[in-house]
Amino acid sequence: KNEVEQSPQNLTAQEGEFITINCSYSVGISALHWLQQHPGGGIVSLFMLSSGKKKHGRLIATINIQEKHSSLHITASHPRDSAVYICAVRGGAQKLVFGQGTRLTINP
Amino acid sequence: DAGVTQSPTHLIKTRGQQVTLRCSPKSGHDTVSWYQQALGQGPQFIFQYYEEEERQRGNFPDRFSGHQFPNYSSELNVNALLLGDSALYLCASTGGTTEAFFGQGTRLTVV
Repeated sequence: KNEVEQSPQNLTAQEGEFITINCSYSVGISALHWLQQHPGGGIVSLFMLSSGKKKHGRLIATINIQEKHSSLHITASHPRDSAVYICAVRGGAQKLVFGQGTRLTINP
Repeated sequence: DAGVTQSPTHLIKTRGQQVTLRCSPKSGHDTVSWYQQALGQGPQFIFQYYEEEERQRGNFPDRFSGHQFPNYSSELNVNALLLGDSALYLCASTGGTTEAFFGQGTRLTVV
């Protein structure tokens, strides 16, 4: 079993829909990252969380430390949100352990 | 601030050759981590450098080695390249407990 599990692996939705991507982890962490990766490879950090909830524009990230679970929500989704979203947890010494990613496609 | 920069962006090598990839961390960051991302997979941790020493290592063979310079920039070296080494190689920099910043990656193709 992977230390970081994401679901779903693939998600296709229509423009405007509310999107939820889930991340569960099995190790102790100091922080959890949500990352966005577009075709071509570059990774952009969306959020770094250690507790509670963060919001940036149409993106919301939550984390429940006791349940070892985090969610990334996208409100009013748009085709430009199409990308791979990756959850990564930071344990000791700043090493990141990545989930497999969720490929999101938003159709117009 | 240019953020994290990696070079080259693309590279094609032949089996058995050696390759060196380079990473300059974000200004103020002293820790550099290298990751390998195979097609369709999440990145896998190779190793991390801090204060010019390898601090942690993932499950990669000794063919993968690295170096960190006094200015915190880093190199990843891979010897005796195999077809399976074809991947996107990502560099991430951090400083203390700050957010990680990633470079655009180097796409290595071994033929």
